[in-house]
Amino acid sequence: QQQVKQSPQSLIVQKGGISIINCAYENTAFDYFPWYQQFPGKGPALLIAIRPDVSEKKEGRFTISFNKSAKQFSLHIMDSQPGDSATYFCAASSTQGGSEKLVFGKGTKLTVNP
Amino acid sequence: SQTIHQWPATLVQPVGSPLSLECTVEGTSNPNLYWYRQAAGRGLQLLFYSVGIGQISSEVPQNLSASRPQDRQFILSSKKLLLSDSGFYLCAWSDELNQPQHFGDGTRLSIL
Repeated sequence: QQQVKQSPQSLIVQKGGISIINCAYENTAFDYFPWYQQFPGKGPALLIAIRPDVSEKKEGRFTISFNKSAKQFSLHIMDSQPGDSATYFCAASSTQGGSEKLVFGKGTKLTVNP
Repeated sequence: SQTIHQWPATLVQPVGSPLSLECTVEGTSNPNLYWYRQAAGRGLQLLFYSVGIGQISSEVPQNLSASRPQDRQFILSSKKLLLSDSGFYLCAWSDELNQPQHFGDGTRLSIL
């Protein structure tokens, strides 16, 4: 059972455009939603994260939008650059005890054309 | 600052051979440690996690095992590798369970 569904699987954007990646989750106990960026041959690196007490978090060109009622969250990359070309993973976890671990989406391969 | 090391970066092994992948973390004490396998198009699959020395939790039954002989050392092992064990293996650490996880650069394992 896939607990975090990520789309699209791949995305091609022109330089300067907006990249949007979407994720949906099922477990209402999830309360921590990070995004990771992975370049080929490297491990994923934490990009930005959000908790459900806010609907949006922005760090530079990267913004997470969170819709608790719809159980959806998305990553927006403004003014996309060729250097942003990478695979992006959303993830979710519960921080309130229990045995929930960080659950990852299947990833989105982003290509930003110059 | 904290750093995480994984080695080797790449490894080619014959079917039936043993495996030992090592991960160490510097700059922190009593980290939570994780082993993931990443397959193309399937995201990251959590294999094992550890909250302390000698404490290992397995997420997926398989041909692999994990050990934590020291506070900041995590080892992934197999007695006999299968073709299906090929993949990209990632080690990660966090200060608290889940929060947030920092990854090493992985080991690309090819089984021939």
